[in-house]
Amino acid sequence: NAGVTQTPKFQVLKTGQSMTLQCAQDMNHEYMSWYRQDPGMGLRLIHYSVGAGITDQGEVPNGYNVSRSTTEDFPLRLLSAAPSQTSVYFCASSYGTGTDLRETQYFGPGTRLLVL
Amino acid sequence: GQQVMQIPQYQHVQEGEDFTTYCNSSTTLSNIQWYKQRPGGHPVFLIQLVKSGEVKKQKRLTFQFGEAKKNSSLHITATQTTDVGTYFCAGGTLTFGKGTMLLVSP
Repeated sequence: NAGVTQTPKFQVLKTGQSMTLQCAQDMNHEYMSWYRQDPGMGLRLIHYSVGAGITDQGEVPNGYNVSRSTTEDFPLRLLSAAPSQTSVYFCASSYGTGTDLRETQYFGPGTRLLVL
Repeated sequence: GQQVMQIPQYQHVQEGEDFTTYCNSSTTLSNIQWYKQRPGGHPVFLIQLVKSGEVKKQKRLTFQFGEAKKNSSLHITATQTTDVGTYFCAGGTLTFGKGTMLLVSP
């Protein structure tokens, strides 16, 4: 199993550009989520999904869109990048369909994004 | 909403010293998880606590869940340089603490 994979590893964008961060898992996990990590801020939840076709907002959803057309994939879209979105983005997945965090979260390696 | 506070934010110890990080919630937690993130890496699951007063050990690491299920701690005995990283707790509704960064000097 590859586990949770994320692409790209690094990305530089100009303000106003759009892009999609890819996330895929091969563990047949129902639950997937996106976090951003900034210095001193810990991990903040952006969006999550409890299964294909179902998504919901987390703590910091503004400026990001997600969709979940398959169990395996959960892409994160930046509609119009801003310097405030410079961060490290982690995708995670787990068994279970509830938002009660009772299952191990498996994290991807992260995408480091710089917005100029 | 639910908040999880973690202290200290940072600790620097000499190898062989003990280390403890604390996690406190404003509300009762159904469970708590602990993760470790090495520098430049991604968070990796360490353990989950579910029962009130629960204590679990993993070699030199001891994890505790408070009786009221509002706080938890991670204690490392005799730290090693391999313990370097940031330790996060996560409460029942996907809320992560800000983490405690541990630096160990040889």
